[in-house]
Amino acid sequence: GQNIDQPTEMTATEGAIVQINCTYQTSGFNGLFWYQQHAGEAPTFLSYNVLDGLEEKGRFSSFLSRSKGYSYLLLKELQMKDSASYLCAVKGYSTLTFGKGTMLLVSP
Amino acid sequence: EAGVVQSPRYKIIEKKQPVAFWCNPISGHNTLYWYLQNLGQGPELLIRYENEEAVDDSQLPKDRFSAERLKGVDSTLKIQPAELGDSAVYLCASSSSRANHQETYEQYFGPGTRLTVT
Repeated sequence: GQNIDQPTEMTATEGAIVQINCTYQTSGFNGLFWYQQHAGEAPTFLSYNVLDGLEEKGRFSSFLSRSKGYSYLLLKELQMKDSASYLCAVKGYSTLTFGKGTMLLVSP
Repeated sequence: EAGVVQSPRYKIIEKKQPVAFWCNPISGHNTLYWYLQNLGQGPELLIRYENEEAVDDSQLPKDRFSAERLKGVDSTLKIQPAELGDSAVYLCASSSSRANHQETYEQYFGPGTRLTVT
């Protein structure tokens, strides 16, 4: 089975940098995804890591360490529109298992 | 390109009544998923289709839930009879097993159907 842990809630200030951590224990690993979900909307894809290291995409970066079962999502130059839930999801043999999500609140 | 389409967006029913949700995936996506999402939780997989075949339905409560994907395109998810605990958002997602050059197999989600059982 899969066990995924991420903080329930985080707060940050506009323009700042925030790191959202995710730890996982899985019986199979074929990649880790980060999704963003605004209230009442569908999750949207942010990033994918299958090899160790950092993947950068604009203001968002994602890091993976398979040996430690650890990933983080780094958001730079925070904007108010970044207030959302951030879901860590691990792909096992064939399906995605999601964490409970981290609610990020960005204040002015 | 149109995204994943779901209907209805909202549904309110009384307990013990039946309800059905419809999903139209992204054109060309052969894999279709139904998820259940409770407030403050991540999506939980109910069933996964590869074309018209249900390849993973281990988390689907088969005593009251059923799903079909005739012709391997559109899909419907049905609950009969509904219970108070079924109140949640039901998300449909699709992906292509023929991944793009990034090999991500990312899933694209529809807006969901918010079900309230009273």
